[in-house]
Amino acid sequence: GIQVEQSPPDLILQEGANSTLRCNFSDSVNNLQWFHQNPWGQLINLFYIPSGTKQNGRLSATTVATERYSLLYISSSQTTDSGVYFCAVPINTGTASKLTFGTGTRLQVTL
Amino acid sequence: NAGVTQTPKFQVLKTGQSMTLQCAQDMNHNSMYWYRQDPGMGLRLIYYSASEGTTDKGEVPNGYNVSRLNKREFSLRLESAAPSQTSVYFCATRTPNLVPALYFGPGTRLTVT
Repeated sequence: GIQVEQSPPDLILQEGANSTLRCNFSDSVNNLQWFHQNPWGQLINLFYIPSGTKQNGRLSATTVATERYSLLYISSSQTTDSGVYFCAVPINTGTASKLTFGTGTRLQVTL
Repeated sequence: NAGVTQTPKFQVLKTGQSMTLQCAQDMNHNSMYWYRQDPGMGLRLIYYSASEGTTDKGEVPNGYNVSRLNKREFSLRLESAAPSQTSVYFCATRTPNLVPALYFGPGTRLTVT
C-alpha cells in the first residue's frame, strides 16, 4: 500500500507566526486531503488537493504530485489553529475512495 | 441538518461482549466509512461502503462486521470485543462530486476492559 509520512510530528508556535507542515507519500496518488482535528476531537476537511495549489483564508496547500509531497501553510497562526493536522491519501493505487491517514502533526499555538 | 451522527458517544465493554456502533447521515451521500483512531496515530480504515448494500474491507477489518441496509445508515459491529479494540471510532461520508471531501461524525470512544 501507499505509505504516508508527516513532519514535523510536533510544533509549538507563538501566535502570529507562520508554519509549514509536510506530507510525503510513497506512490502516485489521485486523491490527497488535509484535515484538522481540534482539541475536542472533531475532524474537519481543509483541502482536497491531489495537485496544484489552493488557498482558504490564512491556510494554503500545495501538492507536487511528481515529487510525491504536499505542504500545508498556516500564516499568522491563532490559538484556534491548535490541534492535529493530518494528510490522507488512497490506501493503494487504483482507488481514490479508500483513504489512509498519516500520523499527523500536532500544533500548539501559544499566546 | 445534523450531518453525520454517531451513537453512543462513550461505551465501556468487557472482553467478549458484543455491541453495535451506529452511524447515520442526512447528507444524501452514497459513500460511508468507519475509521478507528488510536492514541498518537492517524486514522485507519476499517470498512468502506460505496453504496447501499455494498461493503469493502479497509486496512484493519479483522474483528469487525458492518451493515449498510439503507443509504442513511452504516453500522459497525464488534462480535466479541477485545482490549485491542479500545479506540475512538469515527464514521464519515464522502461528497460524490469532483471534490470528494470527507465529513466526519463526532466519534465514539470505546474502552474494552
